[in-house]
Amino acid sequence: AQKITQTQPGMFVQEKEAVTLDCTYDTSDPSYGLFWYKQPSSGEMIFLIYQGSYDQQNATEGRYSLNFQKARKSANLVISASQLGDSAMYFCAMTPANSGYALNFGKGTSLLVTP
Amino acid sequence: DADVTQTPRNRITKTGKRIMLECSQTKGHDRMYWYRQDPGLGLRLIYYSFDVKDINKGEISDGYSVSRQAQAKFSLSLESAIPNQTALYFCATSGEGGLATQYFGPGTRLLVL
Repeated sequence: AQKITQTQPGMFVQEKEAVTLDCTYDTSDPSYGLFWYKQPSSGEMIFLIYQGSYDQQNATEGRYSLNFQKARKSANLVISASQLGDSAMYFCAMTPANSGYALNFGKGTSLLVTP
Repeated sequence: DADVTQTPRNRITKTGKRIMLECSQTKGHDRMYWYRQDPGLGLRLIYYSFDVKDINKGEISDGYSVSRQAQAKFSLSLESAIPNQTALYFCATSGEGGLATQYFGPGTRLLVL
């Protein structure tokens, strides 16, 4: 079974600083996708960024980038220039190709951005 | 208008009652999913459907059933609700392609008394 591990239950960062949220995964599938979602206090799940296992370059989406280290099976999310509105739960998820493409989620990291 | 909608957004029900949660999408996606989220946990898959005739159980399907009425509609039923089904329920959709991004509805908060 595929497993996603997020080792940081909670993180603090000061506004305008960068922060890295850790994610490691375990799979024997050669083809898989890695995703990060944001869940603010209002509850909705917001897609942030995607990385395919065969992608050669790290994904970037605005202030979000994914530090993908395939050999180490890690897919850390980097948020640059943090904003107060970035305070939320962040979930790492993976969809292996042979699992019906359903997402396996980690337990999440709570990020608090302070002024 | 939102691409993925869920109704109701909040629901309180009693143990033993049957309840249906509905999901509709305007994204034109074939694949739809139901997840539940419990405090301190990530989302867990209940059921998923690749098209109207293809429905599959997920990790935690016991106590739940689903119906794919049309490409755009996917309903989740709790046949006889119990308190440990109190959770936040999400519907999601994705397009074709093995690793397509899943887009989530706003969620339904369910409380079973």
